[in-house]
Amino acid sequence: GENVEQHPSTLSVQEGDSAVIKCTYSDSASNYFPWYKQELGKGPQLIIDIRSNVGEKKDQRIAVTLNKTAKHFSLHITETQPEDSAVYFCAASAMNTGFQKLVFGTGTRLLVSP
Amino acid sequence: DVKVTQSSRYLVKRTGEKVFLECVQDMDHENMFWYRQDPGLGLRLIYFSYDVKMKEKGDIPEGYSVSREKKERFSLILESASTNQTSMYLCASSLLTSGKLLNEQFFGPGTRLTVL
Repeated sequence: GENVEQHPSTLSVQEGDSAVIKCTYSDSASNYFPWYKQELGKGPQLIIDIRSNVGEKKDQRIAVTLNKTAKHFSLHITETQPEDSAVYFCAASAMNTGFQKLVFGTGTRLLVSP
Repeated sequence: DVKVTQSSRYLVKRTGEKVFLECVQDMDHENMFWYRQDPGLGLRLIYFSYDVKMKEKGDIPEGYSVSREKKERFSLILESASTNQTSMYLCASSLLTSGKLLNEQFFGPGTRLTVL
């Protein structure tokens, strides 16, 4: 089945720096790759997603890149702010009895220091 | 404002007890999911449902069952709670697309269950 690996597990940056989180997946049939942000005491919230027919997607300070050949995708956050501090999860789609499901990475704790 | 609510934020139960975790969404979504979240393991899918009275096993269904009698409500049941089921439980919902493809899942705040 699908396996998603995520690195690093923790990431500390100074405010204004860029942050990059990387994920690899195993199932070449995966075609949907969302990123979720989880703030303390809350459930995860989708921040950006990408489908396999595109290589890059941007939304203001956030971008995701996808390399289907290498089976990896990355989250890029530019000009980080303290409110970006959270746990970030990547995920990849997989088939489950005719329905798609998500397989999540193990999470990255991002700390942005003022 | 879309909302997924879970019946309890914190729950403490004893080994062997039957435990019900309730989830309600107000977005008229067809799909509903139950995940458990453990440190270093990320989110793992327990069960999901794509319609009323329908259910599908996820990656770790052992020791759990689910019930979906109404579209807006999805319950997770621990028939006989064990200490290894101590975890954070997250409910989510999403729209069912025409091609059964995935799209945004909306999560509830989670229930932290401790089994003593």
